[in-house]
Amino acid sequence: AQSVTQPDIHITVSEGASLELRCNYSYGATPYLFWYVQSPGQGLQLLLKYFSGDTLVQGIKGFEAEFKRSQSSFNLRKPSVHWSDAAEYFCAVGAMKTSYDKVIFGPGTSLSVIP
Amino acid sequence: SQTIHQWPATLVQPVGSPLSLECTVEGTSNPNLYWYRQAAGRGLQLLFYSVGIGQISSEVPQNLSASRPQDRQFILSSKKLLLSDSGFYLCALEAGPVEAFFGQGTRLTVV
Repeated sequence: AQSVTQPDIHITVSEGASLELRCNYSYGATPYLFWYVQSPGQGLQLLLKYFSGDTLVQGIKGFEAEFKRSQSSFNLRKPSVHWSDAAEYFCAVGAMKTSYDKVIFGPGTSLSVIP
Repeated sequence: SQTIHQWPATLVQPVGSPLSLECTVEGTSNPNLYWYRQAAGRGLQLLFYSVGIGQISSEVPQNLSASRPQDRQFILSSKKLLLSDSGFYLCALEAGPVEAFFGQGTRLTVV
């Protein structure tokens, strides 16, 4: 069965510092991988996605993520964090299925940014 | 471009009262639609999934039900709310292969 873990429940970084949010997945084949961001009281917005090809994918807002098959990971990175990046981040794994449970979300990592 | 409208944005309801949350989509036809619930400090739980009018899938036993009376309308309901139904409810459509596009959500507080 598909599963997604995000080992860090909460991370605090200083503005301007680099950021890496961890995501590990479990799936029998190459999955579709996503990172979503949720600002307080808002819906989720897609940051980036990986389906195939280049394992380093670029997303919006200066984020990137790297798919590492050997580690079953899809970590999200940003070289310099801005205060507006404070939000909840969700990793998700999906599979092309006809059943309803196509996408599984991780529990989320809450990011705080210190000025 | 596709958009999702959810209303109301916030809702406070007493225990035992009925519930109706509405989600409508624009800019796409025959979308696959989802209802998710996000409890405080937790991830997203898929509640319902619909591939078309009148077609609802769910394997999560709960106090809620869903209906899809029109192609672009997805409704989440309850006859009698429980305290445990409190949470943030998100409607989403399948924007691409397995990719979800979310509405702004409804914050439900059951008191």
